Amino acid sequence: DAEITQSPRHKITETGRQVTLACHQTWNHNNMFWYRQDLGHGLRLIHYSYGVHDTNKGEVSDGYSVSRSNTEDLPLTLESAASSQTSVYFCASNEGSGELFFGEGSRLTVL
Amino acid sequence: GEDVEQSLFLSVREGDSSVINCTYTDSSSTYLYWYKQEPGAGLQLLTYIFSNMDMKQDQRLTVLLNKKDKHLSLRIADTQTGDSAIYFCAEWNTGNQFYFGTGTSLTVIP
Repeated sequence: DAEITQSPRHKITETGRQVTLACHQTWNHNNMFWYRQDLGHGLRLIHYSYGVHDTNKGEVSDGYSVSRSNTEDLPLTLESAASSQTSVYFCASNEGSGELFFGEGSRLTVL
Repeated sequence: GEDVEQSLFLSVREGDSSVINCTYTDSSSTYLYWYKQEPGAGLQLLTYIFSNMDMKQDQRLTVLLNKKDKHLSLRIADTQTGDSAIYFCAEWNTGNQFYFGTGTSLTVIP
């Protein structure tokens, strides 16, 4: 069965370190998204991609970057982790207006 | 981005109906969705409604859309403890963007 997987599921890091969260989907979807989930804010879009070599900023992109070198993967990098980036991160993918499929989430704690 | 608003919490007794409400601002929304998130998991699609529809029923779920007031609701009949979760409404517009609400945490009391 097709799926979308994130790793690591849990990560603790220190302020100032670089962190990369991996996202891999086997749906062959063109569209991939990264969201962060915080209480009271719901899901907020960080970055998204509509295809290989395409990347776009979402509403909370500062401090984050992504790259899309193939269809399956959209890694999210925190260049210099800050405590405000402690959150649960979700990767999702879809095709057109179709159902968004979500990964299980990556819980990041920045100390 | 677009504003999608929901109440944060809702408690109901097992067997009662639950109604979760959502308001949105984007008049160009094409599809509106309800997603369910169980503890420690990602979001899963529950149901959706096309913007030219007023109502959609799917077993215990009823979705009502008031496009004039930009109001969406999800009614769960005969609510069970397994329905306890966070429910997100989301809109998709022609800009190929999903906008999610803040999520409503539903607690079902046995």
